[in-house]
Amino acid sequence: KAGVTQTPRYLIKTRGQQVTLSCSPISGHRSVSWYQQTPGQGLQFLFEYFSETQRNKGNFPGRFSGRQFSNSRSEMNVSTLELGDSALYLCASSLLPRGNQETQYFGPGTRLLVL
Amino acid sequence: DAKTTQPNSMESNEEEPVHLPCNHSTISGTDYIHWYRQLPSQGPEYVIHGLTSNVNNRMASLAIAEDRKSSTLILHRATLRDAAVYYCILRDVIQGAQKLVFGQGTRLTINP
Repeated sequence: KAGVTQTPRYLIKTRGQQVTLSCSPISGHRSVSWYQQTPGQGLQFLFEYFSETQRNKGNFPGRFSGRQFSNSRSEMNVSTLELGDSALYLCASSLLPRGNQETQYFGPGTRLLVL
Repeated sequence: DAKTTQPNSMESNEEEPVHLPCNHSTISGTDYIHWYRQLPSQGPEYVIHGLTSNVNNRMASLAIAEDRKSSTLILHRATLRDAAVYYCILRDVIQGAQKLVFGQGTRLTINP
C-alpha cells in the first residue's frame, strides 16, 4: 500500500506570495493532519480534517488554511508568505479519528523556502 | 496538553541496547504514551504506544513505570538506522481529534 504522498517536495517562494501544498493520504485513511516543523519551534500542529471538516486547529494565524476533498486528499494554503513561514510542512493520515490510540502515518514533507 | 520531558541527546553503540527515558509527571489516567521517531530527512514514524502495561513490538519495547509518571523506550539492539530524534507524546482520550503535541525529543546517535 502506498504511503502518504506530498507534493511538491520542495518549493521556493518570495514574501507576499501564496502557496498551496497537497497531501494524498494512505488509501482508506480518512483523517488528515498538517504540521509545521522549524528548527526553532520544532513540530507544531496546524490543523486536522476528517470527512471534509476541520476538526481541530493549532495556534497559527488565519493566513494558514486548509481543506479536504471527498476522496480524503487535502490541501493547505498559506497566503501572504513571510520569511518565518520557511519550514518543512508535514502531512499525516490516519484511518479514523479515534483519538488516543490512533497511529498517524507521516509523509516526507514539503520543504518551503520563503525569500 | 500534558507535558513530557526528555534528554536532548543520547549516544550509544551499534548492537547494544538503548534506553530512552521520558518523564511525564502530570499524566492523567486516560493519557496514552506514544513514541514516534524521525529519521534524517524523513517525516516522523510511529514506534510504539501503551497505557499501563509494558508493550513490545518488532521495533521496540515500552516500559511504563507503575505510577505512570515515567516511561522508557527500549531498543534491544541498536543499528545505525536507529539514529533519529525520538519523541515521547501523551495523547488524551478526551481530545478525540488527531493532534500530536511534540516536544523537542531526544536525538539518538549510534556509533559504529
